[in-house]
Formats: sequence, C-alpha cells, structure tokens
Amino acid sequence: DVKVTQSSRYLVKRTGEKVFLECVQDMDHENMFWYRQDPGLGLRLIYFSYDVKMKEKGDIPEGYSVSREKKERFSLILESASTNQTSMYLCASSPSWGQGLSGANVLTFGAGSRLTVL
Amino acid sequence: DQQVKQNSPSLSVQEGRISILNCDYTNSMFDYFLWYKKYPAEGPTFLISISSIKDKNEDGRFTVFLNKSAKHLSLHIVPSQPGDSAVYFCAAIDGGFKTIFGAGTRLFVKA
Repeated sequence: DVKVTQSSRYLVKRTGEKVFLECVQDMDHENMFWYRQDPGLGLRLIYFSYDVKMKEKGDIPEGYSVSREKKERFSLILESASTNQTSMYLCASSPSWGQGLSGANVLTFGAGSRLTVL
Repeated sequence: DQQVKQNSPSLSVQEGRISILNCDYTNSMFDYFLWYKKYPAEGPTFLISISSIKDKNEDGRFTVFLNKSAKHLSLHIVPSQPGDSAVYFCAAIDGGFKTIFGAGTRLFVKA
C-alpha cells in the first residue's frame, strides 16, 4: 500500500560527494515536492514540480537541484554535499490544485531519507 | 521569517483528557490550513484541514478552530489516547499548492 517511495532510508556520504535522492509515487499526482526536516525548523521546502520537466525553487534551494523526467519520479541532487546538508529529506506528492480533499491540496509523504554528511 | 509558528515544542497530556495544540500565522492570504501527524521513522500524514472561510472543522476526536482576526488556529483532540503521541505539524497553503509548515509540537499522551 506504499504510495510514495523514497529509495534510500539512510545514507552516509562524505563532504564533496554527489548525492542522489530518488522518489517515486504511484498515485498519478501532478505535483511533487522535496522538503527537509530539521529540529526546531519544521519542514522547509527545497524544490517542487507541478509537471514533467517543470521545477520551481522553494524556500531553501541553494546547494540542491532536481530532476523530473517522468511524472512518477522526482529526484533531488546534491552536487557537492556539505555537512550542513545533514538532515531528514522528505518527498511528497499531491494532485492538481482543486482536486484534493475539500479543495485543500493534501500532501502524501514518503517515509524519509536520513542523510549524514561527514 | 517564519510565516507559520508553533511556539510550544512539546505538550504532555493524560490519557482521556483534551490535547490543545496551537499555531499562529502571519500571512492573511493563506487559503487553507492543515494539520499533519508524524510518527518516528515515518513521513507526516494528513490529519485534518480547514478552509480560510470557515472557523471550525470536526472529524471524530479531532477539531480544528480558526480565528482569522487573531491569525491563530488550534487542534483539539478529545479524548486523547496514547496512540496520539506524535509530532504534530501545523501547515498553511500559499497560492494553491505550496505548503508552509510550522516547526512542530511533540505530543505525549500518558496512560
């Protein structure tokens, strides 16, 4: 019954490495999102995509890029990992605006990927 | 500058009593407000929402109240159960589908 799957639950990388975080959803949702969760800061939006090959910067895009070549897949890329990117990364998806529950665009999240950069 | 604020990092409540989680926001243009619940090692899951044109929405044990003049919303859980112990995130939707989250409140329900 898993609907949003994040390929890696735990990763340990070294400073300067390139990191790929993969996310796949099976609900045919148009919108996909990447958030990071840090203590005391909640969930902060990194990037989102409302269509294939489309992407928009969120609130903290610096140091990240994304790729959406297929509707069901949204990848987060850290070109050169740094220690301040150690965090829990959460992928989410949602249907087109207006199709959600009571009009609110409800997010379905994956279980998260905990990244440690040494 | 945080647009959605949850000022209480944690809350402890006895089983069977009411849990009240609070949230403040700064942007009067938010369309919807939502609450998500998160257990350890899992992603957040949607709990309840309210439109900005309403002041109350109820779903079983969960009720959300919206006070637009005070830019404040609250989540009431009655009666609280040990399985409700989790982190609760307040969230607001800006411009259709961009969701902004608060820092979260960890609820402990003691048996």
